[in-house]
Formats: sequence, C-alpha cells, structure tokens
Amino acid sequence: DGGITQSPKYLFRKEGQNVTLSCEQNLNHDAMYWYRQDPGQGLRLIYYSQIVNDFQKGDIAEGYSVSREKKESFPLTVTSAQKNPTAFYLCASSIWGQKLNYGYTFGSGTRLTVV
Amino acid sequence: DAKTTQPPSMDCAEGRAANLPCNHSTISGNEYVYWYRQIHSQGPQYIIHGLKNNETNEMASLIITEDRKSSTLILPHATLRDTAVYYCIVRAPNFGNEKLTFGTGTRLTIIP
Repeated sequence: DGGITQSPKYLFRKEGQNVTLSCEQNLNHDAMYWYRQDPGQGLRLIYYSQIVNDFQKGDIAEGYSVSREKKESFPLTVTSAQKNPTAFYLCASSIWGQKLNYGYTFGSGTRLTVV
Repeated sequence: DAKTTQPPSMDCAEGRAANLPCNHSTISGNEYVYWYRQIHSQGPQYIIHGLKNNETNEMASLIITEDRKSSTLILPHATLRDTAVYYCIVRAPNFGNEKLTFGTGTRLTIIP
C-alpha cells in the first residue's frame, strides 16, 4: 500500500545535539512538507519542497534544515540552534501542479523530546 | 489564504449526526474549503473538500452556503472513532502554493 512512513515514532535528544527525522513516501507525490505541532496547538509549517533539489522555508524554519535529494525522501534535521525542539513532528506529501489539489497525505508523526 | 473560525469544542451523542460549523467570511472566489481530522497522536487525515457545491463521500458531507461565507461538515452517524480534532481550511490551489495552514480546529467528542 502507498503511504508516508516517518521514523522513529519516538525520539529523545540531549540538549546541544542535532537529530534527523526520516520521512519516506511511495505515493509518487511531488511535494513534501514538514509541520510542527505543540500540545493543544494547530500545525505550523517548517519547510516544504515542491520538487527534487529544491525547498522553501515555512513559517518557523529557524533551527531546522532539510534536504530533498530524492523524490521519495525529505529528512528534517533539528539542529542545536532550535531553542525549543520538544514537539510532535508531522511529514506530509501532495501532488503538485494540478489545478485541483486533492489534499495532503500525512505520516503518523515523530514525537521528539529533549532531555 | 482566508482565515477560518471554528468552535473550540463540541460534543455529539453516538449514532447521531455531528454537524461541525466553519466560518470563512473572507473567502475568495477561487478558494476551496478543505476538512481534515486528527485523531490523538496521529497525522491529520483528509476528509473532504469543495468549492461551492455540496459534496458527499464515504466519510462525510460538506454543505457550503450559497454566499460561501460558511460551511458545515456533517458526519451522518457518529461513532466513538470519530472523536478527533477537525480542521477547516480554505485555500486556492495555485501552482507553486500548495501550502495548507492549520488552525486549532474543533475538538469533537462522541459521547456513548
């Protein structure tokens, strides 16, 4: 079955360490996105990519980095510059470039905790 | 993208229809209305979307007012598994602008 896989489901990081969250999709979607969700809050866009080797900052990109070397993969690195990284991270993908956008497919999320 | 307003929480009895309202009074002519839901600690799930006509699929119905300033998501026979946060989003499907902006949504609780 096609879908988006995020790993790991739970991740613990020590302060000052970088950590990379994995996101892989086999839907042949062009666009991929990373969102952050804090307790009781909506989703905030970190980065998005519409095509391989290209990506744009979202609303809260500071302290994060991404790469898009393959269509299927969009890893997110949470760097030590991110002051409050503890959150639930969601990856999504969508078809890009069609007049009718039928929405996003989301992964099941990675819960990152800084200890 | 137009801003949406949703009640923060609602309850509905199991087996009854759940009607979730959304106000989008500043919606533009080319903006669609999307609904997603998020069950606790999972990724949001696409439910339905529409432009101006009412829409129905296997999950829900979407009723959009004639002036398009508000809409209602209807879950016809709510079950306990429909307990979730429901997000109403409006946006135009422009090339190169596929971003969706999620607010805080409506927390729907289905009561046994």
